[in-house]
Amino acid sequence: EAGVAQSPRYKIIEKRQSVAFWCNPISGHATLYWYQQILGQGPKLLIQFQNNGVVDDSQLPKDRFSAERLKGVDSTLKIQPAKLEDSAVYLCASSLGGGFTDTQYFGPGTRLTVL
Amino acid sequence: AQSVAQPEDQVNVAEGNPLTVKCTYSVSGNPYLFWYVQYPNRGLQFLLKYITGDNLVKGSYGFEAEFNKSQTSFHLKKPSALVSDSALYFCAVRAQPRIKAAGNKLTFGGGTRVLVKP
Repeated sequence: EAGVAQSPRYKIIEKRQSVAFWCNPISGHATLYWYQQILGQGPKLLIQFQNNGVVDDSQLPKDRFSAERLKGVDSTLKIQPAKLEDSAVYLCASSLGGGFTDTQYFGPGTRLTVL
Repeated sequence: AQSVAQPEDQVNVAEGNPLTVKCTYSVSGNPYLFWYVQYPNRGLQFLLKYITGDNLVKGSYGFEAEFNKSQTSFHLKKPSALVSDSALYFCAVRAQPRIKAAGNKLTFGGGTRVLVKP
Protein backbone atom coordinates (compact mmCIF):
# COMPACT_ATOMS: atom_id res chain seq x y z
CA GLU A 1 0.00 0.00 0.00
CA ALA A 2 1.42 3.37 -1.00
CA GLY A 3 1.92 5.89 1.78
CA VAL A 4 1.19 9.59 1.94
CA ALA A 5 3.00 11.44 -0.85
CA GLN A 6 4.21 15.01 -0.61
CA SER A 7 6.02 17.36 -2.95
CA PRO A 8 8.32 19.12 -3.15
CA ARG A 9 10.61 17.67 -0.49
CA TYR A 10 12.58 20.87 -0.11
CA LYS A 11 11.87 24.51 -0.94
CA ILE A 12 13.90 27.67 -0.42
CA ILE A 13 12.26 31.04 -0.99
CA GLU A 14 12.75 34.69 -0.12
CA LYS A 15 10.47 36.34 2.42
CA ARG A 16 7.32 37.83 0.93
CA GLN A 17 7.31 35.24 -1.86
CA SER A 18 4.57 32.64 -2.18
CA VAL A 19 4.89 28.87 -2.03
CA ALA A 20 2.59 25.87 -2.42
CA PHE A 21 2.84 22.31 -1.14
CA TRP A 22 1.01 19.27 -2.46
CA CYS A 23 -0.22 16.16 -0.67
CA ASN A 24 -1.74 12.92 -1.88
CA PRO A 25 -3.15 10.84 0.99
CA ILE A 26 -3.36 7.09 1.30
CA SER A 27 -6.03 5.75 -1.05
CA GLY A 28 -9.42 5.61 0.62
CA HIS A 29 -8.52 7.85 3.54
CA ALA A 30 -11.26 10.39 4.09
CA THR A 31 -9.42 12.64 6.53
CA LEU A 32 -6.39 14.75 5.68
CA TYR A 33 -4.29 16.88 8.01
CA TRP A 34 -1.61 19.53 7.52
CA TYR A 35 0.90 20.04 10.33
CA GLN A 36 3.70 22.54 10.83
CA GLN A 37 6.83 21.23 12.59
CA ILE A 38 9.29 23.90 13.65
CA LEU A 39 12.81 22.68 14.38
CA GLY A 40 13.04 21.25 17.89
CA GLN A 41 9.27 21.07 18.39
CA GLY A 42 6.49 18.58 17.89
CA PRO A 43 4.08 18.93 14.96
CA LYS A 44 1.26 21.46 15.32
CA LEU A 45 -2.02 20.98 13.48
CA LEU A 46 -2.79 23.67 10.92
CA ILE A 47 -5.92 22.29 9.27
CA GLN A 48 -8.01 19.13 9.12
CA PHE A 49 -10.24 18.10 6.20
CA GLN A 50 -12.96 15.46 6.24
CA ASN A 51 -13.42 14.59 2.56
CA ASN A 52 -13.40 18.08 1.01
CA GLY A 53 -14.82 19.95 4.01
CA VAL A 54 -12.82 21.74 6.71
CA VAL A 55 -13.22 20.26 10.18
CA ASP A 56 -10.70 22.39 12.08
CA ASP A 57 -8.63 25.34 10.92
CA SER A 58 -8.44 27.17 14.24
CA GLN A 59 -4.62 27.22 14.22
CA LEU A 60 -4.19 28.20 10.57
CA PRO A 61 -2.87 31.78 10.14
CA LYS A 62 -5.56 32.69 7.67
CA ASP A 63 -4.05 36.04 6.72
CA ARG A 64 -1.26 34.23 4.86
CA PHE A 65 -2.02 30.50 4.81
CA SER A 66 -4.70 28.79 2.75
CA ALA A 67 -5.49 25.17 1.99
CA GLU A 68 -7.91 23.32 -0.22
CA ARG A 69 -8.99 19.77 -0.95
CA LEU A 70 -11.27 20.22 -3.92
CA LYS A 71 -12.18 16.64 -4.86
CA GLY A 72 -11.73 15.06 -1.46
CA VAL A 73 -8.41 13.49 -2.40
CA ASP A 74 -5.33 15.64 -3.07
CA SER A 75 -4.69 18.79 -1.10
CA THR A 76 -2.57 21.91 -1.47
CA LEU A 77 -1.29 24.24 1.25
CA LYS A 78 -0.25 27.74 0.23
CA ILE A 79 1.64 30.48 2.01
CA GLN A 80 1.43 34.02 0.63
CA PRO A 81 3.42 36.03 1.55
CA ALA A 82 5.97 33.96 3.45
CA LYS A 83 7.70 35.21 6.59
CA LEU A 84 10.97 34.13 8.14
CA GLU A 85 9.11 32.38 10.95
CA ASP A 86 7.37 30.11 8.43
CA SER A 87 10.61 28.15 8.06
CA ALA A 88 9.59 24.65 9.14
CA VAL A 89 8.74 21.17 7.91
CA TYR A 90 5.18 20.90 6.64
CA LEU A 91 3.76 17.45 7.21
CA CYS A 92 0.69 15.98 5.61
CA ALA A 93 -1.12 13.08 7.27
CA SER A 94 -4.20 11.04 6.51
CA SER A 95 -6.50 8.69 8.38
CA LEU A 96 -9.23 6.32 7.29
CA GLY A 97 -11.94 8.26 9.11
CA GLY A 98 -11.97 11.26 11.37
CA GLY A 99 -12.46 9.33 14.57
CA PHE A 100 -10.60 10.12 17.74
CA THR A 101 -8.97 6.69 17.83
CA ASP A 102 -7.94 6.65 14.17
CA THR A 103 -4.23 6.37 13.47
CA GLN A 104 -2.79 9.19 11.41
CA TYR A 105 -0.20 8.23 8.79
CA PHE A 106 2.35 10.85 7.86
CA GLY A 107 4.10 11.75 4.65
CA PRO A 108 7.84 12.58 4.45
CA GLY A 109 7.20 16.32 4.73
CA THR A 110 8.32 19.42 2.86
CA ARG A 111 11.18 21.36 4.41
CA LEU A 112 10.65 25.09 3.81
CA THR A 113 13.43 27.61 4.30
CA VAL A 114 12.49 31.29 4.12
CA LEU A 115 15.46 33.64 3.64
CA ALA B 1 -6.17 22.73 27.17
CA GLN B 2 -4.47 19.42 26.59
CA SER B 3 -0.68 19.09 26.66
CA VAL B 4 2.12 16.56 26.54
CA ALA B 5 5.47 16.75 28.32
CA GLN B 6 8.54 14.79 27.33
CA PRO B 7 10.96 15.77 30.09
CA GLU B 8 14.13 14.46 28.47
CA ASP B 9 15.50 16.13 25.35
CA GLN B 10 17.84 13.20 24.77
CA VAL B 11 18.23 9.66 26.07
CA ASN B 12 21.50 7.80 25.64
CA VAL B 13 21.60 4.03 25.97
CA ALA B 14 24.01 1.25 25.08
CA GLU B 15 22.91 -1.32 22.54
CA GLY B 16 21.27 -4.29 24.24
CA ASN B 17 20.23 -2.28 27.30
CA PRO B 18 16.62 -1.40 28.13
CA LEU B 19 15.26 1.82 26.65
CA THR B 20 12.68 4.06 28.29
CA VAL B 21 11.31 7.31 26.88
CA LYS B 22 9.13 9.27 29.29
CA CYS B 23 5.83 10.98 28.55
CA THR B 24 3.28 12.67 30.79
CA TYR B 25 0.06 14.26 29.64
CA SER B 26 -2.65 16.64 30.72
CA VAL B 27 -6.15 16.35 29.32
CA SER B 28 -9.73 16.87 30.46
CA GLY B 29 -11.26 13.46 30.86
CA ASN B 30 -9.84 10.22 29.54
CA PRO B 31 -7.06 10.26 26.96
CA TYR B 32 -6.18 8.51 23.77
CA LEU B 33 -2.36 8.25 23.65
CA PHE B 34 0.01 7.66 20.75
CA TRP B 35 3.72 7.18 20.14
CA TYR B 36 5.43 8.06 16.86
CA VAL B 37 9.06 7.80 15.73
CA GLN B 38 10.79 10.12 13.26
CA TYR B 39 13.95 9.22 11.38
CA PRO B 40 16.05 11.95 9.72
CA ASN B 41 14.39 13.55 6.69
CA ARG B 42 11.35 11.32 7.05
CA GLY B 43 7.84 11.74 8.34
CA LEU B 44 6.48 10.35 11.57
CA GLN B 45 5.92 6.61 11.77
CA PHE B 46 3.22 5.20 14.04
CA LEU B 47 4.47 2.88 16.80
CA LEU B 48 1.49 2.21 19.07
CA LYS B 49 -1.58 3.66 20.74
CA TYR B 50 -3.63 3.32 23.90
CA ILE B 51 -7.38 3.56 23.50
CA THR B 52 -8.85 1.51 26.34
CA GLY B 53 -8.40 -1.81 28.08
CA ASP B 54 -5.06 -3.33 29.01
CA ASN B 55 -2.67 -0.69 30.33
CA LEU B 56 0.29 -2.36 28.59
CA VAL B 57 0.23 -1.75 24.86
CA LYS B 58 2.49 -3.59 22.45
CA GLY B 59 3.50 -1.99 19.17
CA SER B 60 5.87 -2.14 16.24
CA TYR B 61 9.57 -3.04 16.31
CA GLY B 62 9.42 -4.53 19.82
CA PHE B 63 8.24 -1.34 21.51
CA GLU B 64 5.63 -1.24 24.24
CA ALA B 65 4.12 1.45 26.44
CA GLU B 66 2.39 1.45 29.78
CA PHE B 67 -0.58 3.69 30.52
CA ASN B 68 -0.66 4.87 34.14
CA LYS B 69 -3.77 6.91 34.85
CA SER B 70 -2.82 7.95 38.39
CA GLN B 71 0.53 9.31 37.23
CA THR B 72 -0.87 10.58 33.90
CA SER B 73 2.03 8.88 32.13
CA PHE B 74 2.52 6.80 29.01
CA HIS B 75 6.20 5.81 28.95
CA LEU B 76 7.62 4.04 25.91
CA LYS B 77 9.86 1.03 26.54
CA LYS B 78 11.96 -1.50 24.69
CA PRO B 79 13.68 -4.35 26.55
CA SER B 80 16.79 -4.40 24.36
CA ALA B 81 17.70 -1.34 22.29
CA LEU B 82 19.26 -1.51 18.82
CA VAL B 83 21.50 1.04 17.13
CA SER B 84 18.78 1.37 14.50
CA ASP B 85 16.38 2.65 17.21
CA SER B 86 18.30 5.93 17.24
CA ALA B 87 15.70 8.50 16.21
CA LEU B 88 13.34 11.20 17.47
CA TYR B 89 10.33 9.95 19.45
CA PHE B 90 7.07 11.83 19.91
CA CYS B 91 4.25 11.21 22.36
CA ALA B 92 0.80 12.58 21.51
CA VAL B 93 -2.58 12.85 23.22
CA ARG B 94 -6.17 13.34 22.15
CA ALA B 95 -9.16 13.76 24.48
CA GLN B 96 -12.06 11.38 24.31
CA PRO B 97 -14.97 12.91 22.39
CA ARG B 98 -17.35 13.60 25.27
CA ILE B 99 -15.08 16.45 26.33
CA LYS B 100 -16.16 18.86 23.64
CA ALA B 101 -14.02 21.77 24.80
CA ALA B 102 -10.81 19.78 24.31
CA GLY B 103 -11.38 19.61 20.58
CA ASN B 104 -10.34 16.96 18.17
CA LYS B 105 -6.65 17.82 17.81
CA LEU B 106 -3.79 15.42 18.29
CA THR B 107 -1.37 17.31 20.56
CA PHE B 108 2.30 16.36 20.38
CA GLY B 109 5.09 16.64 22.90
CA GLY B 110 8.37 18.30 21.99
CA GLY B 111 10.11 15.04 21.23
CA THR B 112 12.94 13.01 22.76
CA ARG B 113 16.05 12.14 20.81
CA VAL B 114 17.25 8.59 21.44
CA LEU B 115 20.87 7.71 20.78
CA VAL B 116 21.80 4.03 20.99
CA LYS B 117 25.53 3.45 21.06
CA PRO B 118 27.13 0.19 19.90
